[in-house]
Amino acid sequence: KQEVTQIPAALSVPEGENLVLNCSFTDSAIYNLQWFRQDPGKGLTSLLLIQSSQREQTSGRLNASLDKSSGRSTLYIAASQPGDSATYLCAAWMDSSYKLIFGSGTRLLVRP
Amino acid sequence: EAQVTQNPRYLITVTGKKLTVTCSQNMNHEYMSWYRQDPGLGLRQIYYSMNVEVTDKGDVPEGYKVSRKEKRNFPLILESPSPNQTSLYFCASSPGLGTGELFFGEGSRLTVL
Repeated sequence: KQEVTQIPAALSVPEGENLVLNCSFTDSAIYNLQWFRQDPGKGLTSLLLIQSSQREQTSGRLNASLDKSSGRSTLYIAASQPGDSATYLCAAWMDSSYKLIFGSGTRLLVRP
Repeated sequence: EAQVTQNPRYLITVTGKKLTVTCSQNMNHEYMSWYRQDPGLGLRQIYYSMNVEVTDKGDVPEGYKVSRKEKRNFPLILESPSPNQTSLYFCASSPGLGTGELFFGEGSRLTVL
């Protein structure tokens, strides 16, 4: 069964810390992997998209890496701010099933 | 502005009363999809469409119908809603299957009494 797992499920850090969110997938044959942010009761906002041929993508304080061989992606947030508090989800487009599989998310709280 | 628009955003209805949640995108995307999000179960795909007149079941299609008569629209139809369809629903679109970013609508919160 194709699965996407996110660890940790929840994270609380003081403002200013650099942090890493983890995403692992069971099937290394993926088209791409996308990171989203979701605020409570709201839709998902795309943060970064990494194609299967890429190793990483950067946008501002965010950097996402992809290692297909180990089935892992990480989202690095530099100098975290209270406004970064949200749930972060990763999703992988699976090559073999043409399905987009979502992780269950990491709920992040950045304390002032 | 590139966007996916869902309506209604909030709806309370009663068991058995047919309803439609509309979804429209203005990015000329070929791929569109519907998800439901429930606490503890995450996002689950209901139906998806790879192009006009091409639709297929996702993981939880029971109790739902869709149609794709135009490229920009992908309505979700609940013919006879039941309380277990109370959920937060999201429509999403992307340039193609497995290609490009997936853009989400703001969500439609449905309560079936």
